[in-house]
Amino acid sequence: AQSVTQLGSHVSVSEGALVLLRCNYSSSVPPYLFWYVQYPNQGLQLLLKYTTGATLVKGINGFEAEFKKSETSFHLTKPSAHMSDAAEYFCAVSDQPKVDYKLSFGAGTTVTVRA
Amino acid sequence: DADVTQTPRNRITKTGKRIMLECSQTKGHDRMYWYRQDPGLGLRLIYYSFDVKDINKGEISDGYSVSRQAQAKFSLSLESAIPNQTALYFCATSTLSYNEQFFGPGTRLTVL
Repeated sequence: AQSVTQLGSHVSVSEGALVLLRCNYSSSVPPYLFWYVQYPNQGLQLLLKYTTGATLVKGINGFEAEFKKSETSFHLTKPSAHMSDAAEYFCAVSDQPKVDYKLSFGAGTTVTVRA
Repeated sequence: DADVTQTPRNRITKTGKRIMLECSQTKGHDRMYWYRQDPGLGLRLIYYSFDVKDINKGEISDGYSVSRQAQAKFSLSLESAIPNQTALYFCATSTLSYNEQFFGPGTRLTVL
């Protein structure tokens, strides 16, 4: 069974600074990994996903994440934060993507951006 | 037009009342899901359905039931609402590949 740990429930960054959100997972098989973003009063929107192939994945709005199997991590980064990045971010994992179409979500990390 | 819609968007009810939350989608996806979101807990799966005749319990199905009326419609019911069911509820659909899920805007339910 898979589980997801997001380190840090709240992250505060200055506008223009690096955004780094940490995600570690446990899975018995190579997983599919996802980052979702939730803006206030909205549903979740997919930022990026890793399934197979290149371990550095680029997503929307300048975000990227790197799958590191040896560290069981899938950290999300953005080089320069913008005020519009203020939101809650969720890491999710599926470890049986063609058998069990369920996702397990982390607890979420709320990002605030200081002017 | 939104691809995944949920009604109502907000609902306040009293303990013991029966509540139905509805989800409709125009994406043509076979797979649909209901989640609840609580602060600090992320999203937890309540029920999921792979087609009209296939309904499965998720990790927190107690106190909930669902109905898949058509490929495009998946309803969640609380037969007798209790205060700890106060939460934000999301419906989602998914493609056949890669488990990518598409979420509705959510229903905020308050049980007094």
